[in-house]
Amino acid sequence: EPEVTQTPSHQVTQMGQEVILRCVPISNHLYFYWYRQILGQKVEFLVSFYNNEISEKSEIFDDQFSVERPDGSNFTLKIRSTKLEDSAMYFCASSEAGLAGGQYTGELFFGEGSRLTVL
Amino acid sequence: GQQLNQSPQSMFIQEGEDVSMNCTSSSIFNTWLWYKQDPGEGPVLLIALYKAGELTSNGRLTAQFGITRKDSFLNISASIPSDVGIYFCAVDSNFGNEKLTFGTGTRLTIIP
Repeated sequence: EPEVTQTPSHQVTQMGQEVILRCVPISNHLYFYWYRQILGQKVEFLVSFYNNEISEKSEIFDDQFSVERPDGSNFTLKIRSTKLEDSAMYFCASSEAGLAGGQYTGELFFGEGSRLTVL
Repeated sequence: GQQLNQSPQSMFIQEGEDVSMNCTSSSIFNTWLWYKQDPGEGPVLLIALYKAGELTSNGRLTAQFGITRKDSFLNISASIPSDVGIYFCAVDSNFGNEKLTFGTGTRLTIIP
């Protein structure tokens, strides 16, 4: 069964360092997402990406964050200068269809997550 | 931002018992979703609800989209050990954007 894969599974970094989290979405999917989950809390939307550009982002996704699809298979989240409060599990997701077309038609498939610990 | 409140926050039940949890919002939504998150994994979609009043089943799971469009419940019948995890409701925005808003979660623990 096709799945979303994420690397690394766990990264520990010093405050102020740059971090890149990588994702390989399901191959025929067109919409890509990053969500995060601080330990013990709910899953929060960060950004959605379609047709090589950001289609939506939350207030969490400030100038320190960026996303890129550098080739036909990878989708990355970069945090330029990490802060302690960036420590969380980061989930990549992909879907065949978008959510904004009216009725929900695109199930989001989530990866297993990358745990980021900022010291 | 939009708030989805889930109750209960956590449940401790014995194997074989039925489970009921719900999710409420102060806003109206057109789609309600229920996800399950196993420890160390990402959320997995269980049931999607598209119409007010709709009742949908997936095996031992049954979910309903409230008639007011402000709530939903999820029932699990005859719980088994693999039902352990965190259950999240989620809604997609009414405003034509590409994000899901998740609820606060209900943690289910099964006592042996």
